[in-house]
Amino acid sequence: QVHLVESGGGVVQPGRSLRLSCAAAEFTFSRYGMHWVRQAPGKGLEWVAVISKDGSKKYYADSVKGRFTISRDNSKNTLYLQMNSLRAEDTAVYYCAKSWDDSSGFDYWGQGTLVTVSS
Amino acid sequence: SYVLTQPPSVSVAPGKTARITCGGNNIGSKGVHWYQQKPGQAPVLVIYYDSDRPSGIPERFSGSNSGNTPTLTISRVEAGDEADYYCQVWDSSSDHWVFGGGTKLTVL
Repeated sequence: QVHLVESGGGVVQPGRSLRLSCAAAEFTFSRYGMHWVRQAPGKGLEWVAVISKDGSKKYYADSVKGRFTISRDNSKNTLYLQMNSLRAEDTAVYYCAKSWDDSSGFDYWGQGTLVTVSS
Repeated sequence: SYVLTQPPSVSVAPGKTARITCGGNNIGSKGVHWYQQKPGQAPVLVIYYDSDRPSGIPERFSGSNSGNTPTLTISRVEAGDEADYYCQVWDSSSDHWVFGGGTKLTVL
């Protein structure tokens, strides 16, 4: 069974940085595109970023472009999200999710990790 | 940027049929995916590419994308179906994925 486990969340001050990780197991990680999706408290889902299976293509939501960087290490079966210049509005549960083709939905999700940006 | 519009809430009695719509510009030309999210849990894919159902999802869940109005239909609604439901598409013009605002399904 596919397993995705996020880590790295916590409380951080505005303007600071944080790096999230997503450890993948029980599937061939290097064959699939991976995403980050976030959900602010009491709000809906917001897609954040995607990275292609080989890491050559990356796309970002306008709300995070220039501040967040998605990356992956296929040798470690791990997805990352480097978040810089954090703002209060970045406070959310961050999920990693797997897709199976270029326009597909997300068939597996992690349990999420909470990021709180507060002074 | 591409926008998806869902009704904020839908209410249905147990055993009846719930229908949740998703609106967007020329959405009939896109593949629509649907997710169920229960409180405190990660979303679960219930319909992909308009009408396909992942393994393990009950046949009571179905989808359509005709007349430019994608619809998630839940037949014979049960109390356990009470959740938030989100539609999603891939916007090829921006290579962005977009979620609708979500619909809270209440089982009366």
